[in-house]
Parts: sequence; structure tokens; C-alpha cells
Amino acid sequence: DAGVIQSPRHEVTEMGQEVTLRCKPISGHDYLFWYRQTMMRGLELLIYFNNNVPIDDSGMPEDRFSAKMPNASFSTLKIQPSEPRDSAVYFCASSLSPHSLNQPQHFGDGTRLSIL
Amino acid sequence: ELKVEQNPLFLSMQEGKNYTIYCNYSTTSDRLYWYRQDPGKSLESLFVLLSNGAVKQEGRLMASLDTKARLSTLHITAAVHDLSATYFCAVDAFYGGSQGNLIFGKGTKLSVKP
Repeated sequence: DAGVIQSPRHEVTEMGQEVTLRCKPISGHDYLFWYRQTMMRGLELLIYFNNNVPIDDSGMPEDRFSAKMPNASFSTLKIQPSEPRDSAVYFCASSLSPHSLNQPQHFGDGTRLSIL
Repeated sequence: ELKVEQNPLFLSMQEGKNYTIYCNYSTTSDRLYWYRQDPGKSLESLFVLLSNGAVKQEGRLMASLDTKARLSTLHITAAVHDLSATYFCAVDAFYGGSQGNLIFGKGTKLSVKP
């Protein structure tokens, strides 16, 4: 079975540029999560969707960050304009309903983002 | 606001020894997850604990949940080098707010030395 697929795996860009991260969840999963991981702050939830609808975006750090899920098989996280402090590993995860028994979130391999 | 605390954050142990990682959380929750992360890699689900008194074992790892004490433990038996990784606990924040939202601890970086 294909897992959660993220692209790109690595992104290096200059500050001020627009960055778009992409995620394909596991087929049939109706929840999708975007996380950011840094040494200082650990793993933080940015936003999550249920059935393509954003449910909680309180973790999105500022208006420079936006996320969309136009259909059940694709989501994007966009940073515009990017800043050096956005450098982190961004993970996408998907799951069935959290209140289905024994359903953990399945994580993608992450996008390692470096803003110079 | 739900908070999740793990300790220790760093653990260096010798092969063959036993140790326990602790995960405390601050508000009511009925499900807790343990994940493993190898350096530069993704997070891999280890255990899902769904009720008070739940105990699950996989190889040298055993996880338990005490919802009354708001405590989960991850016990390592006779550690081997392959267990070296960072271990995260995560708690479902449903009762604290957003349904489906997991709050992660800061992780315990485990290093098993020969």
C-alpha cells in the first residue's frame, strides 16, 4: 500500500520566495494533518482537514502560511513570502476518523525546507 | 490547554539493560499513541492505547496507559542498539478541544550503547 506521499523531499530557496509543499494522503483517509518539526519547538500541528474542510488552523503561525485541500487526494501548504525562521521539516499525515479504533496517524517522509 | 510532558528527554543506556520512558498529560483523554522516529526519517506508529489499563507489547517494547493518573509508560526490556531512536508520545486532544488533534510530547532521544 502506498503511504502518505510528500513532495518535494528537500527545498532550498531564498527568503521572500513562495514555497509550496504537496501531500497525497493514503487513499480512503478522511483526515489530513500538516505538522512542522524544529529542534526548538518540537512537533507542532499547523492545520488539519476533515473531508477536505479545514477544521482547525490555529497552529498556522501567521498569514504568510496557507493550506488548501481541493480534493480528497491532494493538499498543499504554501508559504509566501518565506523567511529563514520557516526552515524546518514539514510533515503531512493522514488517518481515518480518529475515533475509529486503533487508527493512528500515518506520516509522510517530510519536506526538509531551508530558507536562506 | 492539553500539555504532554515526556521524561527523560535524553536517555543513554547500555545494551541488555531495562528502562522506562514516562509520558504525562494534563487533561482528560481516552487515547494515547507512541511513535518512533529515526534520524532524518518519518514517524512510525508503535502503539495505540485506547483505554485505562491498556497494555501492548511488541518485541522489547511494552506500553501501558493509566488514564486516571494521566500517565503512559514505554518500557524497554534488554535494550539493543537497533532501538536507538527518538520516541514520541501523543495524546488525542478531543476532550480538550479539537477533535482529531494530537498533541505531541517533545520526544525522548534514546541511545543504546554496546
